[in-house]
Amino acid sequence: EAAVTQSPRNKVTVTGGNVTLSCRQTNSHNYMYWYRQDTGHGLRLIHYSYGAGNLQIGDVPDGYKATRTTQEDFFLLLELASPSQTSLYFCASSDIWGGEQYFGPGTRLTVL
Amino acid sequence: GEQVEQRPPHLSVREGDSAFIICTYTDSATAYFYWYKQEPGAGLQLLMSVFSNVDRKEEQGLTVLLNKKDKQLSLNLTAAHPGDSAVYFCAVSGGNNKLTFGQGTVLSVIP
Repeated sequence: EAAVTQSPRNKVTVTGGNVTLSCRQTNSHNYMYWYRQDTGHGLRLIHYSYGAGNLQIGDVPDGYKATRTTQEDFFLLLELASPSQTSLYFCASSDIWGGEQYFGPGTRLTVL
Repeated sequence: GEQVEQRPPHLSVREGDSAFIICTYTDSATAYFYWYKQEPGAGLQLLMSVFSNVDRKEEQGLTVLLNKKDKQLSLNLTAAHPGDSAVYFCAVSGGNNKLTFGQGTVLSVIP
């Protein structure tokens, strides 16, 4: 089973702050994803990548950047954090597009 | 694009009873179907995956039914126990193979 880890697990920042969320997967999956989870919305896709150096836009990309530096590492960047970005963020990976996704434990971000 | 409606948002059952969750999707080309479980403070854990050529799948007290005519996917937990208390999500992979999630169902199993 794929191992997906995220850091930090909790983060508090202020409006306008700069935040980087990290994700690492150790099962050599091609695809990695960033989601946000909000009550009543389920999981919404922010960005995804199918390999190092690749980035694709998801359904709710505004205010977020992402970078895939290696096969294993995928980062989500909030350069000017806003309270609307307070959420629970999940990283996931999969071997193929549309296939089973394996999730990290999540990062709870609070923007004051 | 694909839309998924999951019901109910909250479900409370007594230990030993069944719990039923249903998702309705919109894309008739949807080929892959998943159920995930999210325990408090944890990520989503894959419970079961179903391909579109399967109408029914049972594993370890879980039954997944796929009704392609009505575009509905359901999950039935038979004889629920307190350890089943969690948030359950359906997810479907539509014609473009992008995974779309339902809104989630918070299941509480009362001892």
